[in-house]
Amino acid sequence: SQQGEEDPQALSIQEGENATMNCSYKTSINNLQWYRQNSGRGLVHLILIRSNEREKHSGRLRVTLDTSKKSSSLLITASRAADTASYFCATRPNTGRRALTFGSGTRLQVQP
Amino acid sequence: DGGITQSPKYLFRKEGQNVTLSCEQNLNHDAMYWYRQDPGQGLRLIYYSQIVNDFQKGDIAEGYSVSREKKESFPLTVTSAQKNPTAFYLCASTTSTGGEGYGYTFGSGTRLTVV
Repeated sequence: SQQGEEDPQALSIQEGENATMNCSYKTSINNLQWYRQNSGRGLVHLILIRSNEREKHSGRLRVTLDTSKKSSSLLITASRAADTASYFCATRPNTGRRALTFGSGTRLQVQP
Repeated sequence: DGGITQSPKYLFRKEGQNVTLSCEQNLNHDAMYWYRQDPGQGLRLIYYSQIVNDFQKGDIAEGYSVSREKKESFPLTVTSAQKNPTAFYLCASTTSTGGEGYGYTFGSGTRLTVV
């Protein structure tokens, strides 16, 4: 089952603009993670936010988590053409299966 | 350098044939995972293993089998019972068996095509 659902499915912006992607999930989580995938490649871990955290930063990335709304957002500031990729959120549930469930992803295109 | 190696990069399977995808890691990670990705889609969990000689089914385990005889290795066999195996297969590992607080390291994937 796809626990996380990203919005929008696709996003096209100009270099230098900010990109915001949203993720919604259904069950109680231990943590939420964001990954990046370049076309035809494996995923790369970007950032992890725990259920007791509300915001986290890493370089040009800012992640927020609202457990009451079961949602998260990923903000990429001052985007670059090299940021063009698909971005996935993944959730680790609090109970039950000890594996990440991935959303369907947001395809980001940054125009130079 | 440490990492996860998946092989082969491309694999072609004939109808009714079993094929095995290799996944090896030298990160000393306890937990390993197999995901399937269809075009334009997210990842779906096939099987995962938190410790040697133990593994659990994911959401789409039918038609697949795995083994975990060594900590470093988690091969996936796509059997003839899997009717639509054409997809991109990704192997991942993490340092914590519970997956709490640690991200996954992914391999570069195997693209399987039925011919």
